[in-house]
Amino acid sequence: DAGVIQSPRHEVTEMGQEVTLRCKPISGHNSLFWYRQTMMRGLELLIYFNNNVPIDDSGMPEDRFSAKMPNASFSTLKIQPSEPRDSAVYFCASSQLAGVSEQFFGPGTRLTVL
Amino acid sequence: AQKVTQAQTEISVVEKEDVTLDCVYETRDTTYYLFWYKQPPSGELVFLIRRNSFDEQNEISGRYSWNFQKSTSSFNFTITASQVVDSAVYFCALSVGGANSKLTFGKGITLSVRP
Repeated sequence: DAGVIQSPRHEVTEMGQEVTLRCKPISGHNSLFWYRQTMMRGLELLIYFNNNVPIDDSGMPEDRFSAKMPNASFSTLKIQPSEPRDSAVYFCASSQLAGVSEQFFGPGTRLTVL
Repeated sequence: AQKVTQAQTEISVVEKEDVTLDCVYETRDTTYYLFWYKQPPSGELVFLIRRNSFDEQNEISGRYSWNFQKSTSSFNFTITASQVVDSAVYFCALSVGGANSKLTFGKGITLSVRP
């Protein structure tokens, strides 16, 4: 079975550019999560969806960040415009039922903003 | 509000030593779920175990064992006869259940196992 798929695995961009990260959750999972991990702040939840509906976006740092889940098998996290402080590893995770089931994580996207 | 404390930040042991990673949680809910994840140097986060608040039985999986004690709000993780491949960051996490509940992670413990 395929796990959570994220693309790209690595992204290097210049400040001010738009960045789009993509995620395909495990088939049959109803919840999807976006996390950011940095040395300074550790693992932070940015936003999560249940049945494609955003439930909690309180972790989204600024209006520059937006996330969508147009269907059960695809989600995007967009940063526009990007800044150097956005450099981090971004993880997508999915679970059968948020809060109850374990989350399975994708391999992450390492973002570097120059 | 929920909180997970992993007081140990870094642990270094020699191969074959036993090591225990501590996790203390806080919640006022009676129904909750506890998790451990491993993040090896390659970076991915790997699910290890899930435990609900109504099941205080300890669990053993090979060299791994978990001790859940509600009386002390702890969910500790022991690796027996550690190996170099156990070197990783280990995260403890908590959710209080409910479809709209999210996972609260501890800050993680970096375990280094030296040959």
